[in-house]
Amino acid sequence: DAGVTQSPTHLIKTRGQQVTLRCSPKSGHDTVSWYQQALGQGPQFIFQYYEEEERQRGNFPDRFSGHQFPNYSSELNVNALLLGDSALYLCASSWTVFAGAPDTQYFGPGTRLTVL
Amino acid sequence: SQQGEEDPQALSIQEGENATMNCSYKTSINNLQWYRQNSGRGLVHLILIRSNEREKHSGRLRVTLDTSKKSSSLLITASRAADTASYFCATAPLMNYGGSQGNLIFGKGTKLSVKP
Repeated sequence: DAGVTQSPTHLIKTRGQQVTLRCSPKSGHDTVSWYQQALGQGPQFIFQYYEEEERQRGNFPDRFSGHQFPNYSSELNVNALLLGDSALYLCASSWTVFAGAPDTQYFGPGTRLTVL
Repeated sequence: SQQGEEDPQALSIQEGENATMNCSYKTSINNLQWYRQNSGRGLVHLILIRSNEREKHSGRLRVTLDTSKKSSSLLITASRAADTASYFCATAPLMNYGGSQGNLIFGKGTKLSVKP
């Protein structure tokens, strides 16, 4: 059973560019959450997708957007990149029971984004 | 913003010793989870404890939760060099309807070093 996968592993971009990160959830999971982890910090919640809609969003600007596909995979898009966007981007998948909230979140290995 | 505060920030012990890490948080929670992260890569889920539970065990791990003090502790017994990693607590905030929306709020982590 494959766990959560993310691509690419590493990415280098320059300021002002746009980037797309991809995530495939663990088999059987229907909910995908994205987190940003700056060096030396804990992960910060960006947003969560369920049933192809953004269900919840953290304190991140509109430059951060996402999408969830019918097969539950997800993309994170960041426009107009800033130096401060350099971080490890983590995707987590989980199973939402009925209308309740997901419990345990399983994380992928992350995408290391460097903005020059 | 980060809700949890882990203590200590760094911990260095010898193999075979026990390691205790503490976490304090600010708001009411639905559950609290502990994760491990090796070398800035993906997070590995260790244990989830719900707000109505006081203690939970998993192998060499023991987690306690004191909701009156808004604090939790993670005990790793008989530590091994392979336990060297950063450990994060993450809280799932309690919503008005009694559940959680699923976003996790992480602390900054405790960096554990276990010397052989």
